Amino acid sequence: GAVVSQHPSRVICKSGTSVKIECRSLDFQATTMFWYRQFPKQSLMLMATSNEGSKATYEQGVEKDKFLINHASLTLSTLTVTSAHPEDSSFYICSAIPTGRNEQYFGPGTRLTVT
Amino acid sequence: QKEVEQDPGPLSVPEGAIVSLNCTYSNSAFQYFMWYRQYSRKGPELLMYTYSSGNKEDGRFTAQVDKSSKYISLFIRDSQPSDSATYLCAMSAIRSASGGSYIPTFGRGTSLIVHP
Repeated sequence: GAVVSQHPSRVICKSGTSVKIECRSLDFQATTMFWYRQFPKQSLMLMATSNEGSKATYEQGVEKDKFLINHASLTLSTLTVTSAHPEDSSFYICSAIPTGRNEQYFGPGTRLTVT
Repeated sequence: QKEVEQDPGPLSVPEGAIVSLNCTYSNSAFQYFMWYRQYSRKGPELLMYTYSSGNKEDGRFTAQVDKSSKYISLFIRDSQPSDSATYLCAMSAIRSASGGSYIPTFGRGTSLIVHP
């Protein structure tokens, strides 16, 4: 149980285009999901907290207009990287907390490369 | 001082050794403690989670929490090369009825290498 999926697992896009990454909780409902970014050999960096039915809460320094987050249902959150640039290339990981619980389950990650 | 401190390593041990991974924290509100394992280019995998002080065992893994010292540990017995990964500790306050903070705070991770 407690499986989180991400799609796509890997994406390459051209500079200036937008990319959408989906995060799904497959066997539980999640009122809250999180989006992280991770550079090679570095720790997780929390980008935003996504709450179902309300606006996401962004961490300091994360541009909300560039990283659009939508949490439309209790099992789906999406991250859209708008007008992507090479410096947006990174490993993006989502996670979800089952409603009423405290432990966090992570997706497998999405590797974004912007050329 | 960061809320959660974790030595990044790398920690290199021979196969079969007992591994001790540790984190210290400063926020006394933390009540929920988690350990994750992350292989390269993969998302973190939840290994163990526990409330408050005490020990919890699961197979070769034992999680230990000492709230008086604000110190948590993960022990791995009979370590295997397949245990080579980065281990992250995480902790949070328990969500209160009024909706108190529950966003986990992560350590930076310890890189473990188990060599044959």
